[in-house]
Amino acid sequence: SQELEQSPQSLIVQEGKNLTINCTSSKTLYGLYWYKQKYGEGLIFLMMLQKGGEEKSHEKITAKLDEKKQQSSLHITASQPSHAGIYLCGAVTGTSYGKLTFGQGTILTVHP
Amino acid sequence: NAGVMQNPRHLVRRRGQEARLRCSPMKGHSHVYWYRQLPEEGLKFMVYLQKENIIDESGMPKERFSAEFPKEGPSILRIQQVVRGDSAAYFCASSQDEQFFGPGTRLTVL
Repeated sequence: SQELEQSPQSLIVQEGKNLTINCTSSKTLYGLYWYKQKYGEGLIFLMMLQKGGEEKSHEKITAKLDEKKQQSSLHITASQPSHAGIYLCGAVTGTSYGKLTFGQGTILTVHP
Repeated sequence: NAGVMQNPRHLVRRRGQEARLRCSPMKGHSHVYWYRQLPEEGLKFMVYLQKENIIDESGMPKERFSAEFPKEGPSILRIQQVVRGDSAAYFCASSQDEQFFGPGTRLTVL
């Protein structure tokens, strides 16, 4: 089984709708990153979470880290077509702090 | 502050040739990471370097692949005698705290 599972694998929403993407780890989380990737491009840093219960927001995107559940969620409020892309969570699960393990990604489509 | 720079953005090689991928970290960042994204697979860690040191190379194939981050100049990921299975997007990231990614080098092996 995957070390880091993202759900759903893909998501299609109407513009203006809220949505949530989940990331669950089979190992203890020492840190959790969220990135956005457009097809054929690099990863855009969204947020890094380090402490259990930590919650960060940037514009309409909020991410939370539930350390006990080894889980993080990314919530987008009032989605826009510009939010479309692939969302990736990357986890620090070992002593090598910079080594990230990634989930398979969630493909988000937002219909205008 | 320029972001993480990678070049070339696209690289085409024939089987058996060598591929050299370059990465310049963000200013002030002393940690560099290389990841590979294969078609239909996720992003996989390859190697973590600091200046003149390889810290963790647990994700690097044992043969044909090497990485360096010299005292001066960019980090280099070198793939010798490339095979078709090496075709992928190779991403570099750098950090001092948060980890930022470059645009990637897309390697195609003919």
